[in-house]
Amino acid sequence: DAEITQSPRHKITETGRQVTLACHQTWNHNNMFWYRQDLGHGLRLIHYSYGVHDTNKGEVSDGYSVSRSNTEDLPLTLESAASSQTSVYFCASSARESSNEQFFGPGTRLTVL
Amino acid sequence: QKEVEQDPGPLSVPEGAIVSLNCTYSNSAFQYFMWYRQYSRKGPELLMYTYSSGNKEDGRFTAQVDKSSKYISLFIRDSQPSDSATYLCAMSGGAQKLVFGQGTRLTINP
Repeated sequence: DAEITQSPRHKITETGRQVTLACHQTWNHNNMFWYRQDLGHGLRLIHYSYGVHDTNKGEVSDGYSVSRSNTEDLPLTLESAASSQTSVYFCASSARESSNEQFFGPGTRLTVL
Repeated sequence: QKEVEQDPGPLSVPEGAIVSLNCTYSNSAFQYFMWYRQYSRKGPELLMYTYSSGNKEDGRFTAQVDKSSKYISLFIRDSQPSDSATYLCAMSGGAQKLVFGQGTRLTINP
């Protein structure tokens, strides 16, 4: 069955380190999204991509970057991790034809010490 | 003020009760409205998807959209303990970028 996976599921890192979170989907969806989820804020959009080599900034993109070299993967990089980036990160994807129906991965719980 | 407001709860009801979950929004450009269910330590899963105003029913779940009042609702009939989760509303103006509510934590007591 098609699915969306994230790795690692849990990560502890130190302030200032570079961290990359992986997202892989097998639906062949054009659209992919990264969100963070924090108490009191719900889900907030970090970056998104509508296709290979396309990336766009979301609501809370400072300190994060993405690149899209193929359809299946959209890795999220924290260039220099900060304690404020401690959060649960979700990747999602959607088909071009039904773009608002987004399917989410299981999440990555990141702690920055 | 947030674009989408949702009471975080928590909301606790007995099994079999009708549950009403609501969101209000301020952006009149929103046309697509969704409800996601999120179990603890899991990713959100799409529960209901509606376009513009009106009602949509799927089993025990009914979604209502009132664009004139900028108000959406999700009703759960004959609630079950397995419905205990956080429910997130989400909406979009059509540019594929969803704006989420904070989520309402719901517990159904046996």
